[in-house]
Amino acid sequence: GAGVSQSPSNKVTEKGKDVELRCDPISGHTALYWYRQSLGQGLEFLIYFQGNSAPDKSGLPSDRFSAERTGGSVSTLTIQRTQQEDSAVYLCASSRPSGTQYFGPGTRLLVL
Amino acid sequence: AQSVTQPDIHITVSEGASLELRCNYSYGATPYLFWYVQSPGQGLQLLLKYFSGDTLVQGIKGFEAEFKRSQSSFNLRKPSVHWSDAAEYFCAVGAGRSGGGADGLTFGKGTHLIIQP
Repeated sequence: GAGVSQSPSNKVTEKGKDVELRCDPISGHTALYWYRQSLGQGLEFLIYFQGNSAPDKSGLPSDRFSAERTGGSVSTLTIQRTQQEDSAVYLCASSRPSGTQYFGPGTRLLVL
Repeated sequence: AQSVTQPDIHITVSEGASLELRCNYSYGATPYLFWYVQSPGQGLQLLLKYFSGDTLVQGIKGFEAEFKRSQSSFNLRKPSVHWSDAAEYFCAVGAGRSGGGADGLTFGKGTHLIIQP
């Protein structure tokens, strides 16, 4: 596609529910990143994929967060048993191996 | 650990006036520095980046930034702002030309730019 796409654009969920956020990177971009943007913490790096592999998952905020990437393309960020502090905008970016990161529009998550 | 400080949370500038947004970084190796802009409801757009060489870098939309190693700074400037420049501006540091790899980008808290008519 022309740019990084993310879905849904907005998600409202109840505390304790699971949510899945999707990122579709730019075609041909082998690197993919997830970030979280919140009022209190600003922009935080969560996880990086090179192809389907994520070498370091320590940036994920808790064990309720997981991410996967299949076929070197689409990635899913899953949050289990959502908490109110998970409310934030989740941004995805993709790049060529040594290229600029291009960001998607984000998914705005609200946990009630 | 690497960090980025943007001392100004908000800046108000009159349309047509010059602009300087401050950014200070802490990084143990050669820094790769970036400025991104975010308009309301939008993702981040890269304005410019510094890897090496000439310390004054030109970006899109008439922006430029100057890398000063002695001051650990990478301030963003524009000679004359337009109303459409109103947005949130983020300075970031990272490893490698994409600022990527396993550590991703480290962002400052951002500066909210307000343009007065």
